[in-house]
Amino acid sequence: RKEVEQDPGPFNVPEGATVAFNCTYSNSASQSFFWYRQDCRKEPKLLMSVYSSGNEDGRFTAQLNRASQYISLLIRDSKLSDSATYLCVVPRFTGGGNKLTFGTGTQLKVEL
Amino acid sequence: DGGITQSPKYLFRKEGQNVTLSCEQNLNHDAMYWYRQDPGQGLRLIYYSQIVNDFQKGDIAEGYSVSREKKESFPLTVTSAQKNPTAFYLCASSIAGGNTGELFFGEGSRLTVL
Repeated sequence: RKEVEQDPGPFNVPEGATVAFNCTYSNSASQSFFWYRQDCRKEPKLLMSVYSSGNEDGRFTAQLNRASQYISLLIRDSKLSDSATYLCVVPRFTGGGNKLTFGTGTQLKVEL
Repeated sequence: DGGITQSPKYLFRKEGQNVTLSCEQNLNHDAMYWYRQDPGQGLRLIYYSQIVNDFQKGDIAEGYSVSREKKESFPLTVTSAQKNPTAFYLCASSIAGGNTGELFFGEGSRLTVL
């Protein structure tokens, strides 16, 4: 299994829909996980952190399933502005600092 | 406003030429990073530095060099030894010492080798 694996999509959904995508990880010792958002040809930005069972921030919910080693991102009431690529990120444990492993990203397109 | 500034935003170079990408931050972060992003691939770590005058190789350091003479600055040189230099290069910074997962990225430099 790859360190971090995501379905590249694209996920095409109508405005107002609920959409969820998963990310699997290989290191069972990982304790924290992150979702970054990256707009087309822009830099990634931190969207949410997941430290235990899950995290909710407005329309966004991130959940962690340790037994199956995946995290999910749920977006409710999708907006056109949610169209972006969502990167799943897992810290490494070698050395110090924020050494992170980035997934390839899942592309979301929200349409009228 | 605090942030990270990368320059140039777009850069074209001929094969065999070295090029240096600039990265400056005024966030007072100790740690800085260089990533490379290619289509269909995740961000890959080139080099990182946790403190001034110290840096470590990341996963794909071959063909690249860095320096960290000042806290605010972490320039990346793409040398002629790098076989596939055309890519989107992202500089980032973070607070040192912990896996908080939060990196602050610059807007990136898009390098094309002709």
